[in-house]
This record gives sequence, C-alpha cells and structure tokens, in this order.
Amino acid sequence: GAVVSQHPSRVICKSGTSVKIECRSLDFQATTMFWYRQFPKQSLMLMATSNEGSKATYEQGVEKDKFLINHASLTLSTLTVTSAHPEDSSFYICSASKQPEAFFGQGTRLTVV
Amino acid sequence: LAKTTQPISMDSYEGQEVNITCSHNNIATNDYITWYQQFPSQGPRFIIQGYKTKVTNEVASLFIPADRKSSTLSLPRVSLSDTAVYYCLVGRSSSNTGKLIFGQGTTLQVKP
Repeated sequence: GAVVSQHPSRVICKSGTSVKIECRSLDFQATTMFWYRQFPKQSLMLMATSNEGSKATYEQGVEKDKFLINHASLTLSTLTVTSAHPEDSSFYICSASKQPEAFFGQGTRLTVV
Repeated sequence: LAKTTQPISMDSYEGQEVNITCSHNNIATNDYITWYQQFPSQGPRFIIQGYKTKVTNEVASLFIPADRKSSTLSLPRVSLSDTAVYYCLVGRSSSNTGKLIFGQGTTLQVKP
C-alpha cells in the first residue's frame, strides 16, 4: 500500500515558539492532503484541507493564522503551529488519498511546555 | 457526509469473533462504507470498504443489509493485537478526495 510519512513523530516546544510538522506521500502524488488533530481519548477532528499550489481550506473554528499550512509540492504538506501554547498540545495526523483508501501518517505528538 | 453511530466500547476474548455494528440511517445512494482501525499514538489504518451485501478481505468481513442503513464489521478470531479503536465512516468513495469525518469510534478491548 501507499505510504504517508510524518516528521517529527514527537516534539516538545516552549510556549510562544513555532513548530513545523511535515507530511510526505512517499510513493504517490497527492494534490490534496488533510490535517487532523486528536486529543486524548477523543476522535480525530479534521482541521484543514491542504491543496497543492493553492491556499488551504480550514474547517470552522480552526484559526488559519495559527495553523499555517503549505503544500508546495505534490508529495509534501507542512503544518506550522505558530506561537504554540499548552492548549495546542495534541496528536496531529495527516492523510492523503489514493483511491479507494486514505493513507495516514504515523502522527506527531506535540507537547507545549 | 452521513452521520454514523457506533457502540463506544466492546470487550472480547482471544479467539472469538467480534462484530461491530454501525448505524448510518442517512446514507446517500452514492455513499460507500469504510472502516478504519487506530492503535494508540498511530494514524488510522484502512480495514475494509463496501457498498452493499458482503465484502471480505484477509483481515475482516463487512456485512451491509439491503437498506444500507447499517453495517457490521466482523473480525474473525481476534487476538490481543486487535485491541484498538474502530471507526465507521460513510462517504462517496468514487469522488472522495480523502476528506474524512470521524465519529466517536468503538474501542475494542481483547482480553486473554
């Protein structure tokens, strides 16, 4: 099956700093990727749709200026959490679709201290 | 995207067959039913997808009645490693760009 890789798998940052998370489709091209956030014991919540070569589409309630998404190539999307705060601590997961499946990255555990 | 309802949790023992049912009363004609599995601190993994009747692959079977308002994921002879959260999703696979809306999922605990 197709592979989607995220990096880093874990990151700890200080409050007020920014963190970048990368999502790569390793063996297929993805014009669209998706970013999810998951809090402990909860389901995945879709944050935004990342579109190659154009602006991301954010779900209602997600601050686009705080969660910057860049999809500069057909195999790479990045999510930057700007001015991170402890409440941003969560598990961030990306996905890309190769029909009929959606392939997910292994996730990034962000801890803001 | 059709809303889905699943049991929050289920317990089973090793070697048993587990059936997880999902309700999707508002499923549309073009919607497919897809199940994902998620282990702690990992991204979800595709298990199976179907449109009607029965679909079987190497890990599971999916049963869909004629009215398609529900579906049942069947895991044969579960092992401890099948302990995970299972999500049922409904959407249009043929034109699906991968945007998935997850429900609460079912936490399956397999006991020795």
